[in-house]
Amino acid sequence: EDQVTQSPEALRLQEGESSSLNCSYTVSGLRGLFWYRQDPGKGPEFLFTLYSAGEEKEKERLKATLTKKESFLHITAPKPEDSATYLCAVQDDKIIFGKGTRLHILP
Amino acid sequence: ETGVTQTPRHLVMGMTNKKSLKCEQHLGHNAMYWYKQSAKKPLELMFVYSLEERVENNSVPSRFSPECPNSSHLFLHLHTLQPEDSALYLCASSQEEGNEQFFGPGTRLTVL
Repeated sequence: EDQVTQSPEALRLQEGESSSLNCSYTVSGLRGLFWYRQDPGKGPEFLFTLYSAGEEKEKERLKATLTKKESFLHITAPKPEDSATYLCAVQDDKIIFGKGTRLHILP
Repeated sequence: ETGVTQTPRHLVMGMTNKKSLKCEQHLGHNAMYWYKQSAKKPLELMFVYSLEERVENNSVPSRFSPECPNSSHLFLHLHTLQPEDSALYLCASSQEEGNEQFFGPGTRLTVL
């Protein structure tokens, strides 16, 4: 059965404390892996698409990486405005979302 | 208007009511989606339309009925819902099916 698992479920960091979020997946034929950010009361906001193992994408304090079994979202020197839920989704013949990681950055 | 818009933003309805959710995308995309988001659960894909044709229906109960009159508009018609249908309903669009999706703000639905 195709699955997407995100860990940890929740993460609290001090401002400036770097960390990584994990998305592990089991699908038969990966067509793309997506990262989204979702703020409370809003729809998810697209961040990155990764297509093949070894690929990396960066945007400001965020960097996404991909292997054959998992993806990491690295957050470098986060700020309070980076607090949100981060969602991972995997596309094979259908799209499957993980439950997300709730990230809270303390000032 | 830019991006993906949804109306209404909040909806409270009784179990015997009929209502509709509306989604409009201003991005020139060819694919549109309906999702259900409940607390503690991952986003659940309900329906996918590509070039106005339904390409996926993930075993959604018939009390939810989608309509896609053109590539910019998507509706979700609701009738005789159950309290467990209360959730955030999100609409999204993408250039083609399988590409990154752009979401609307959602409709918060409460079924009494």
